[in-house]
Formats: sequence, structure tokens, C-alpha cells
Amino acid sequence: AQSVTQPDIHITVSEGASLELRCNYSYGATPYLFWYVQSPGQGLQLLLKYFSGDTLVQGIKGFEAEFKRSQSSFNLRKPSVHWSDAAEYFCAVGALWGGATNKLIFGTGTLLAVQP
Amino acid sequence: DTEVTQTPKHLVMGMTNKKSLKCEQHMGHRAMYWYKQKAKKPPELMFVYSYEKLSINESVPSRFSPECPNSSLLNLHLHALQPEDSALYLCASSQDVAQGGEKLFFGSGTQLSVL
Repeated sequence: AQSVTQPDIHITVSEGASLELRCNYSYGATPYLFWYVQSPGQGLQLLLKYFSGDTLVQGIKGFEAEFKRSQSSFNLRKPSVHWSDAAEYFCAVGALWGGATNKLIFGTGTLLAVQP
Repeated sequence: DTEVTQTPKHLVMGMTNKKSLKCEQHMGHRAMYWYKQKAKKPPELMFVYSYEKLSINESVPSRFSPECPNSSLLNLHLHALQPEDSALYLCASSQDVAQGGEKLFFGSGTQLSVL
């Protein structure tokens, strides 16, 4: 069965520091992988996605993620964090549901706090 | 217009009430979704309408009833809910449903409290 694991529930970084959020997935075939961000009480916004090709994916807001098949990982990185990056981050794998319908399976999320 | 609009933003209802959540998109997307998100948990898929055909997560209780009047509108009818149904209900849409790799556009959600 498909699953996503985000081992870090809560991370605190200083503004201007680098960031790496971890994500591991379990999926039988080549996965569709996503990172979404959610501000409190809001919906989710797509940061980036990986389908195939270049394993280093660039996203919005200066984020990037690297797909590593050998480690079943899709970690999210940002070289310099801004206070506005404080939010909950969800890694997700896209799967077919019922053979034809799109379904996102989310990890449990990582809550990012940014210290001034 | 790249927005998914959900109304109301907040809803408080009693266990005997009937209410509806509404969702609208004008991006020409052919798939629309309802997700339920409990506090400090990831979203969980409840229903999918793809080309106005319904797919159901069989673990969702029958007190939740989705409706898709047309490809731009999605409703979630609520009846006889329980306090444990209190959650953020998120609507999303995607251009299509092929292959599991579609980008989802999410609304900001309806925060539901059942008393």
C-alpha cells in the first residue's frame, strides 16, 4: 500500500538559516510526489511536484526538492528561510484510486516555526 | 481565475441540523474533491467527482452526502452529524484525474463545529 512518512513533527529554524524537511514514501511504481504548504486555517498550496526526469525539482517561493529512488525520499529544501515560511508542510504521493480516480495520500505533516 | 471558493468559512451546527457546504471553481476543471482535515492531522479524501461521476471513500458515513450539480459546483450535504465530525472541510479541484499526478487546487476550507 502507498504511504508517506514525515519523521519530523515540528521543526524550528532561525530566519535566514537553511531548511530541510524530510519525506519518505512507499509506492510500488514510479511515484508522483508533491509538497504542499498550509497556513493556519487555510487550504493547501502546491509548492512543487515530481513526476519524472530531473530528480531536482524547483518550486515556488524558493523551495526545491530532490527525489532519491534508492532512499525512497523526497526531501524539501530552502537555502534561506523567511519568517513568512512558518506553516505546516505536507508531503504527498499521488495514486490512482479505484483504477481511475486521482487520490493524494498525505504524510502527517511537519510544522515549521521560524525564529527571528 | 485560479481560485476554489468555499462557503461558508465557518459553520456551527447542532446534531439535528441539516446544512450544506458549497464549493465553486471556474477553471474548467473536470474533477472536484472533498477532503476532511482534523486538527493537527493531514487531509483525508472523502469523495471525488470526475466528469460528474462520483467515487466514494467507503469509510465515510452516510450522514455526509455529496452533490455535483455541474462541473463547476460541488456541495456537501450534512445531516445528523456527530461532534467528532468537527473538522476543516476542504474542497479541491484538478484539471483531470489521469494517472494520479494531477495538481490539486484547494479552497481555504469550511471550519465546521458540531455541538
